[in-house]
Amino acid sequence: GENVEQHPSTLSVQEGDSAVIKCTYSDSASNYFPWYKQELGKRPQLIIDIRSNVGEKKDQRIAVTLNKTAKHFSLHITETQPEDSAVYFCATAPVRDNYGQNFVFGPGTRLSVLP
Amino acid sequence: EAQVTQNPRYLITVTGKKLTVTCSQNMNHEYMSWYRQDPGLGLRQIYYSMNVEVTDKGDVPEGYKVSRKEKRNFPLILESPSPNQTSLYFCASSWAGLTDTQYFGPGTRLTVL
Repeated sequence: GENVEQHPSTLSVQEGDSAVIKCTYSDSASNYFPWYKQELGKRPQLIIDIRSNVGEKKDQRIAVTLNKTAKHFSLHITETQPEDSAVYFCATAPVRDNYGQNFVFGPGTRLSVLP
Repeated sequence: EAQVTQNPRYLITVTGKKLTVTCSQNMNHEYMSWYRQDPGLGLRQIYYSMNVEVTDKGDVPEGYKVSRKEKRNFPLILESPSPNQTSLYFCASSWAGLTDTQYFGPGTRLTVL
């Protein structure tokens, strides 16, 4: 089955700096790659996603890049703010007929933005 | 208000006592799923359902059962809970399949003594 690795497990940055989190996956059939943010004590929420026919996607301060050949994708957060402090999870899903199989999450990265 | 609800939010029980965690969504979503969250392991999928009467195993289905008799409800059943099922459980739903945004419920913290 799919295996998703995520690095680093913890990341501390100064407010205003950039943060990068990288995930690698094993199943070449995976073609949907979302990122979820989970604040302390709250539920995960989707912040950005990318499909395999696209190499990069941006949404304001957040971007995701995908390298299907190398089987890795990364989350980039620029101009970090204290409210970006949270645990971030990457995920993959091998998709067939738009439904796919089971969803696999990475172990998470705890991001701390220091004022 | 569009939402996913779970009940109960907190539950302490004893080994072997059957329990059900309910999940309901009011968005007419076809896809529903259960995850457990454990420190250092992220979210692991237990079961998912692509539509009424269609369910399949995720990565960690042992010790759990699900049913999908109605589109809006997807209960998680632990027939004989054990301490290793102590965890934080999330239900999620999406419009159609895995390539849509998954909306998570508030979570159920389960402790099995």
